[in-house]
Amino acid sequence: GAVVSQHPSWVICKSGTSVKIECRSLDFQATTMFWYRQFPKQSLMLMATSNEGSKATYEQGVEKDKFLINHASLTLSTLTVTSAHPEDSSFYICSATNSNTEAFFGQGTRLTVV
Amino acid sequence: DAKTTQPPSMDCAEGRAANLPCNHSTISGNEYVYWYRQIHSQGPQYIIHGLKNNETNEMASLIITEDRKSSTLILPHATLRDTAVYYCIVRTPQGNDKIIFGKGTRLHILP
Repeated sequence: GAVVSQHPSWVICKSGTSVKIECRSLDFQATTMFWYRQFPKQSLMLMATSNEGSKATYEQGVEKDKFLINHASLTLSTLTVTSAHPEDSSFYICSATNSNTEAFFGQGTRLTVV
Repeated sequence: DAKTTQPPSMDCAEGRAANLPCNHSTISGNEYVYWYRQIHSQGPQYIIHGLKNNETNEMASLIITEDRKSSTLILPHATLRDTAVYYCIVRTPQGNDKIIFGKGTRLHILP
């Protein structure tokens, strides 16, 4: 299957700082990328949908000013967690797709805010 | 909200076929059934998808009932590496259609 790469795989940051997570589709052009958050022993929760060149669409209850999403190219989307706090600690996962392929997921980024 | 219901957990003996059921009684005519699995601390992995015909690939088989209200994912010879949470999802194949995860089925393969 297609390859979607996330970076970093894990990150530890201090409370109040911002963290950027990258999601790259390595072998196809992703017109749409999804960002998810997953807490321990729970399912993936969709945070937002981003289409290349457009503003992201956020799910209800997700703060767009706290979770900044940029999808400036067909192979890269970024999620920035601004002013991170311990409750933002979670497993963040991206997914990339286009109209011709099923969605493929990155390996996830484990964020720990201390 | 997820449009599927799955049993929370299942056990299967190693080497036997694992049959994972999924109910999707409100599926629309243009929605496909997709299956993904998530091994601990990894991103979900695509397994298979189908519209109304049975499908088979190198990983699994997908059996969809004639009324399309339910389906079964079959792992023909389960191994310990198949231990994971399996998610059944219904969506259209359009790229920007949301992928909403339910709670999935936690499959334990027993040695």
